[in-house]
Amino acid sequence: DQQVKQNSPSLSVQEGRISILNCDYTNSMFDYFLWYKKYPAEGPTFLISISSIKDKNEDGRFTVFLNKSAKHLSLHIVPSQPGDSAVYFCAASAVGYGGSQGNLIFGKGTKLSVKP
Amino acid sequence: KAGVTQTPRYLIKTRGQQVTLSCSPISGHRSVSWYQQTPGQGLQFLFEYFSETQRNKGNFPGRFSGRQFSNSRSEMNVSTLELGDSALYLCASSSQGWVNTEAFFGQGTRLTVV
Repeated sequence: DQQVKQNSPSLSVQEGRISILNCDYTNSMFDYFLWYKKYPAEGPTFLISISSIKDKNEDGRFTVFLNKSAKHLSLHIVPSQPGDSAVYFCAASAVGYGGSQGNLIFGKGTKLSVKP
Repeated sequence: KAGVTQTPRYLIKTRGQQVTLSCSPISGHRSVSWYQQTPGQGLQFLFEYFSETQRNKGNFPGRFSGRQFSNSRSEMNVSTLELGDSALYLCASSSQGWVNTEAFFGQGTRLTVV
């Protein structure tokens, strides 16, 4: 049973427009969420995170929104740039329940293509 | 500051053999986690080591094992390889291993079992 779902395997966006990547989770004990970006032949790179006590976290062009009642989070990239083209992974953890790095549950990823 | 180093980058093994993968974390980092990435299952957690002790373990068979040395370097071993073990194996290091500290991933070891 997949606890973290990224239902869109791919997303194509025009340069300068907004990219919205979505992630749903089923485990109500998850209280910390992260987004990672992965280029081919490289390991994932941490992008941004959010604790369940917040509903929004912003870092430059990247904003993550959390809707706890819907068990849904999204990553907004504004404006999108061709260099943002990569696979984006959503991950979740139950930190408050004894979580550590090892309790990260990842989604299967969404491949973002930003066209010039 | 050197990043996370995984060796080898690529590996081809025959079914039934065993393999050892190595991960050198960032200097000063004490936590090393291992993940398996496959197209069908995404990134799945294998285990985490902190100060030479296995602190967490994912849902993988006992054929998958690991260890961590006093210098924080970690090795992962897979015995009796199966075709389904073909995957990208990633390790991540962080200073303490708590999820609200950034984890740094290596480039991975691409294992192909034939």
